[in-house]
Order: sequence, then C-alpha cells, then structure tokens
Amino acid sequence: KNEVEQSPQNLTAQEGEFITINCSYSVGISALHWLQQHPGGGIVSLFMLSSGKKKHGRLIATINIQEKHSSLHITASHPRDSAVYICAVDPWGTGNQFYFGTGTSLTVIP
Amino acid sequence: GAGVSQSPSNKVTEKGKDVELRCDPISGHTALYWYRQSLGQGLEFLIYFQGNSAPDKSGLPSDRFSAERTGGSVSTLTIQRTQQEDSAVYLCASSLAGVAETQYFGPGTRLLVL
Repeated sequence: KNEVEQSPQNLTAQEGEFITINCSYSVGISALHWLQQHPGGGIVSLFMLSSGKKKHGRLIATINIQEKHSSLHITASHPRDSAVYICAVDPWGTGNQFYFGTGTSLTVIP
Repeated sequence: GAGVSQSPSNKVTEKGKDVELRCDPISGHTALYWYRQSLGQGLEFLIYFQGNSAPDKSGLPSDRFSAERTGGSVSTLTIQRTQQEDSAVYLCASSLAGVAETQYFGPGTRLLVL
C-alpha cells in the first residue's frame, strides 16, 4: 500500500495549456511538499504546504487537509516545465518517515 | 556554502567493497536527510538527522547501511559489503530547523556496484 498516490503518472501537454497534477495521501501529515526533478536529476522544492494555497509565478499549489488531497497547477505551460513532479508528505512532523508519490512525468510540447 | 554539496558525484565500486558518501548541508541547517532513488524508481527515505542524532534508523534498507553526522554539519552514509541492488542515486537534503520545512537538495551521488 502506497501512502501517497499521484495522478496522472504521465502527462503530455501543448505549450500554453493549463496543467493539473493531483496527489492523495492516507496518513495524517504536518506538511506536504511538491518537488520538481529535471531530466538531469536535480531536485528542487517548489512548495511546502500545511493548509490553503500557495502561488509562485505560474505555479499554484493547493491542499485540502480534510480530504487529504493536494493539487499542483501550472498555468500557461512551457517546454521548460517538462520534468517529473513529485508529491511528498511529512507524517505528523516526526521526521522518522517521509512518504513520496511515484511522480508525474510532464512533457510540454512546443 | 551556497547549497548542499555531495561527494563523490559518481562512484563505481565492486561488489563486496565498502563505500562512503558525504553530504555537506547548507551552513546553519540543523536538519539533514538522506534519500535513495534507484533506476526508474521513486524516491525512498533513508534517514533523518536533527543535529547529530537520528531518532529512527528503521528506514535504512539493511544493517549494511549506516549514517553519522558530526558537529551538526557534515554527514556520511556508509554502505558495507556493497551489493548490486545498492546501485542508485543517493540524495542528501537539508532544512533550517527540522521537518515541515522546505528542503534543499544536493546534486546526488550516483553509485554503481559492479
């Protein structure tokens, strides 16, 4: 059983499209993270959420704690957004475990 | 330093040999994490340090794996008697004070066990 589920696994979009990636989790959490991993392998933290909504440029992340669900939105997608997007959760902030989703591979076509 | 650094960036070793991987966190960050990403697989949590202590080592895959952190800064991940299934990218991250904070990732060490 995977504590964190992401969908879709793969996503191809045309440049300019609005993109949504979903994350559902089954444990109580203190925070949820959205990470971006480019083909070269480097990982960048995009957002850390414990409630509500955060926006950074064309990226928006939302979380619904009651429904145990988060979404990552990309507006006006661009080929440079092509990457793997990973959802991860801190279960109750213990630091003893850190659960990852399997990632969503996004390809944005010019 | 400017970011999290890891060394070596690549390591090729023979089955049965020991390897030591190093992580230098961002200066002043008290929390440090080790993760593993096997080829084509997702990220796997290994261990977390708050200061020099690791409250729970149950994420380490086997007793061949050990990790330590001294002086609240540099951490080393040691794999003894390496096996081919240990081949993966080993990633380190740090955050300012602990969990529920933004983590900053290093570039990783690519380990290949022949």
